[in-house]
Amino acid sequence: EVQLVQSGAEVKKPGESLKISCKGSGYSFTSYWIAWVRQTPGKGLEWMGKIYPGDSETRYSPSFEGQVTISVDKSISIAYLQWGSLKASDTAMYYCATVGYCSGEPCPHDAFDIWGQGTMVTVS
Amino acid sequence: DIQLTQSPFFVSASVGDSVTITCRASQAIASYLAWYQQKPGKAPNLLIYLASTLQSGVPSRFSGSGSGTEFTLTISSLQPEDFATYYCQQLNSYPRTFGQGTKVEIK
Repeated sequence: EVQLVQSGAEVKKPGESLKISCKGSGYSFTSYWIAWVRQTPGKGLEWMGKIYPGDSETRYSPSFEGQVTISVDKSISIAYLQWGSLKASDTAMYYCATVGYCSGEPCPHDAFDIWGQGTMVTVS
Repeated sequence: DIQLTQSPFFVSASVGDSVTITCRASQAIASYLAWYQQKPGKAPNLLIYLASTLQSGVPSRFSGSGSGTEFTLTISSLQPEDFATYYCQQLNSYPRTFGQGTKVEIK
């Protein structure tokens, strides 16, 4: 089964650091971009950035560049999202998702077709 | 950034009804639009890509249309499992952006 499994909920204090994870299985992890998406009641869904596990190429949304770091350890099929110093405004649900997986077939799109279950981050 | 504006914000409908949701882009995005369904406590689920192509496994009562700046998602004959929030997403340029969502509730 193709799936992304995210790490569990976190409760942190402002100023603390955090790294959450997203483990892919059931497919060629290094062949598909992984995107990170933030969801809050106030701003809805926001694309944060993406990483290509094959070579660690990253692309960030300007809104999140410098605020978070996206990384990957392809040897264990895990993508990460990390903060150096959390703020209360980082409180949100965070999702990872594959970009244009298309069941491993040639993909005509780069929509987000496999999603992790989400990681709730509370900063208080 | 490309802004996506969905309308309406909220729809109250009955089982069997047909519902249409509109997504307008602040600039032309060709057909690079996707639609997602999200149920409470769950991740979004891809329904439609390239504006009108149904994702594998998605029931045929869902359909999408449009290009350029105006797009629609239609759910014909609403089923109980369709009551959820629906989001559009543009995949034409970076940063990728989403609409604010349309909640479909049971009347």
